[in-house]
Amino acid sequence: GESVGLHLPTLSVQEGDNSIINCAYSNSASDYFIWYKQESGKGPQFIIDIRSNMDKRQGQRVTVLLNKTVKHLSLQIAATQPGDSAVYFCAEFLGGYNKLIFGAGTRLAVHP
Amino acid sequence: SAVISQKPSRDICQRGTSLTIQCQVDSQVTMMFWYRQQPGQSLTLIATANQGSEATYESGFVIDKFPISRPNLTFSTLTVSNMSPEDSSIYLCSVTQGAHPGELFFGEGSRLTVL
Repeated sequence: GESVGLHLPTLSVQEGDNSIINCAYSNSASDYFIWYKQESGKGPQFIIDIRSNMDKRQGQRVTVLLNKTVKHLSLQIAATQPGDSAVYFCAEFLGGYNKLIFGAGTRLAVHP
Repeated sequence: SAVISQKPSRDICQRGTSLTIQCQVDSQVTMMFWYRQQPGQSLTLIATANQGSEATYESGFVIDKFPISRPNLTFSTLTVSNMSPEDSSIYLCSVTQGAHPGELFFGEGSRLTVL
């Protein structure tokens, strides 16, 4: 299999602060990227996506930034809440192979 | 978005046995994907299951170990054969039904523990 994360780093933030979760992707040909949120005992849930012809996309309290030059994605969460505590994964879509490949996740821990 | 149901949600299995995981979707979908998530790790694609054709397996996964069926557009099964403790993982079914073919929706997963 591809892109198996070995460890899950943890980002700890205070409630109300902004969170930034980073991700490096591997394939220059990837043309679509997604951030997923996975809560304990559940499957991943779609948060926000971005196409390769964009460098920024905003949702409700979330913003995704794409830097194709260095193959880097980030997810920014504004005013982080306890309900945001979860593991976050970035994923890249390999259009030529029609498959979604996940990067290593980051655990977000929100403290009151 | 599609509603995806997986059975079993969890199971404890003896080594050497096989277990079949079922994935039911509430609408017809062309492509279904099976992922594995080992404890504390990311998701790894096992195979793509298309109706009416053989599943396409990723590097490191073989049909003898992970046979897949896709009898219709709403259902698929993944069998984990001759299990060992290393097969203890969450197995996730997913489908593409969003605005983009890369936008996957996931089931809750099937958590297998092999003793």
